[in-house]
Amino acid sequence: EVQLVESGGGLVQPGGSLRVSCAASGFTFSRNWMSWVRQAPGKGLEWVAYINQDGNERYYVDSVKGRFTVSRDNAKNSLYLQMNSLRAEDTAVYYCASGGGWVFDSWGQGTLVTVSS
Amino acid sequence: DIVMTQSPDSLAVSLGERAPINCRSSQSVLSSSNNNNYLAWYQQKPGQPPKLLIYGASTRASGVPDRFSGSGSGTDFTLIISSLQAEDVAVYYCHQYYSAPITFGQGTRLEIK
Repeated sequence: EVQLVESGGGLVQPGGSLRVSCAASGFTFSRNWMSWVRQAPGKGLEWVAYINQDGNERYYVDSVKGRFTVSRDNAKNSLYLQMNSLRAEDTAVYYCASGGGWVFDSWGQGTLVTVSS
Repeated sequence: DIVMTQSPDSLAVSLGERAPINCRSSQSVLSSSNNNNYLAWYQQKPGQPPKLLIYGASTRASGVPDRFSGSGSGTDFTLIISSLQAEDVAVYYCHQYYSAPITFGQGTRLEIK
């Protein structure tokens, strides 16, 4: 059974940094593209970042370019999102998601990141 | 960026009745090279992550009941729940994966009348 478990969320001040992680199991992690998708409280879904199987292709939504970095460790079956210069508008539940390319058939339960003073 | 617009924003349907949800993209998500529509539908219940229902505009994901169907091509798409069940109460999102950045519709909230 595919499992994606996010961790690392919490409360951070504006301008601060946070790294969220996603532990994957139940599938061959190194063969899958991975993405982060976020959902602000009471709002819709927004794709944030993508990384290919070996980590040499990464894409970001414009609003996080230069501030967020997606990475992965295939030996640890783990996906990461390093978030710097955080803003109030980055407050959201962050989901890691996987599937066939850009279609997400597996999602974690999400981790809440709150940016507030 | 491709903008995805869903209608209606919310919908109340009686149990056993048909529930149609529409999605329009600001540009075509149909690939001329393979004739595939790069359009998916997700269901999100309160407190849960989204669940993939449909991809390629009309292909049901594994384990999805056949009362869920998708149709459309190019820029106009529809998700239909043929006979609404109580467990179908959720927010539904369309999603284009034709071009980056991939984008989602704003969501349609489906309730029981």
